[in-house]
Formats: sequence, C-alpha cells, structure tokens
Amino acid sequence: EVVLTQSPDTLSLSPGERATLSCRASQSINRDYLAWYQQKPGQAPRLLIYGASKRATGVPDRFSGSGSGTDFTLTITRVEREDVAVFYCQQCSSAQVTFGQGTKLQIK
Amino acid sequence: QVQLVQSGAEMKKPGSSVKVSCKVFGSDFTNHFINWVRQAPGQGLEWMGGILPLRTRKDAENFGGRVSITTDESTDTVYMELRGLRPEDTAVYYCARDLHPFTFAYGFDHWGQGTLVTVSS
Repeated sequence: EVVLTQSPDTLSLSPGERATLSCRASQSINRDYLAWYQQKPGQAPRLLIYGASKRATGVPDRFSGSGSGTDFTLTITRVEREDVAVFYCQQCSSAQVTFGQGTKLQIK
Repeated sequence: QVQLVQSGAEMKKPGSSVKVSCKVFGSDFTNHFINWVRQAPGQGLEWMGGILPLRTRKDAENFGGRVSITTDESTDTVYMELRGLRPEDTAVYYCARDLHPFTFAYGFDHWGQGTLVTVSS
C-alpha cells in the first residue's frame, strides 16, 4: 500500500499569505492519479486538483498543484478566510486508493 | 446536474450489517465508477471500494472481505454493505463519482451528502 504523508499537520496564515501544502508518497506514483481535496467543516470533500496539476471545474486559479514521483505540492497563492478547511491528497496505485492524513488550514 | 443522494442515518449493534444506498441523478449511470469513502469522527478519509456498473469492481484490501458493493441499474442506485460491524466502524460513509467516464480514481468530482452509521451496543 502506498502511504501518503502530508505536512504540515496544521498551517496558520493571515489572509493574503501564500500556503504551501506537501504530500509525500512512500513510493513513486503516476502523477495522473494524484488528486487534492478540500473539506470544510460539516461538508463532503470537494475535488480541487486532479492529475497533480489540473484544476477541477469551478476551482479558483489561486489553487495550483505541482510535483511528480514522490513529492507533490498544493499551493494557495493568497489565502482567504473562506479557505479554512482540511486538505487531503489522494493517490491510486495497483487499484488501491489511499489518502493522506490531511493538513488543517487556519486563518489568523 | 449530477447529484448523489444517500440513505439516512443508521444505528447498528456490533456484529450486525448495514446497507447504505446512493442514488445517482443526472449522470450516465453505467459510465462512471462510484466509490465509497468513510470518515470516522475527527479522522481522515478511507477508501472502501468502487464499482463500474455492469463491468467491474475494485475492492479495498483493508476490509478483509467485509464490504460488498452492488448496483441496481433499474434505479441508478449503488449499495454498500458492511458486515461484522464493530464500534470502530462508526463513521460517515460517502459515495463519490469518478471524474472521467470508464476511468478509475483520477479524482472524485461529485459526492453524496454522507450517511452516519453508528455502531454501539
């Protein structure tokens, strides 16, 4: 099973600052199968990024994804108060899907 | 537009089974994988399996065969049954549709509202 480790566990930023969230895989994965989700309190997850760098429909261009191999990054160029959420990365390898443990974004 | 509507909350005893439904609206039912993902209270996301109606199924290895995912094409509904319930199975269970037709796990773009299953004696 591919283990995804996200860092940091919690990120506390002021509005307008840049957020950099990391997702590291225990072995190299196909970037086509790397996705990012945002989950706000009490809601289902929302797909932000798929294929490591493609924005899903309706996602603001403040959100971008990058990376390959074992290291992937979700960047929010200017965080807003509405971005408060837990962010998860997801991968699929050998027909098994796993998620990272999540990064909680707090706004000061 | 695409909507996934799940059945209501359940309370179950340890050792019993639960069956959660997910009705799909506004999508070609047989063209997209539907997956099940659960989230224990205050915890992260755990994939349970997925199905492409009439074609194939993907099972998560972590559940030791306790999960069955089935479909009813006459009602565009997907079912997830979890057997041998334990208190640690208490969670919100989500169904989620795969982004692209006939492809698996590129990303889940539409989610149900979630179904809380509580397991307690």
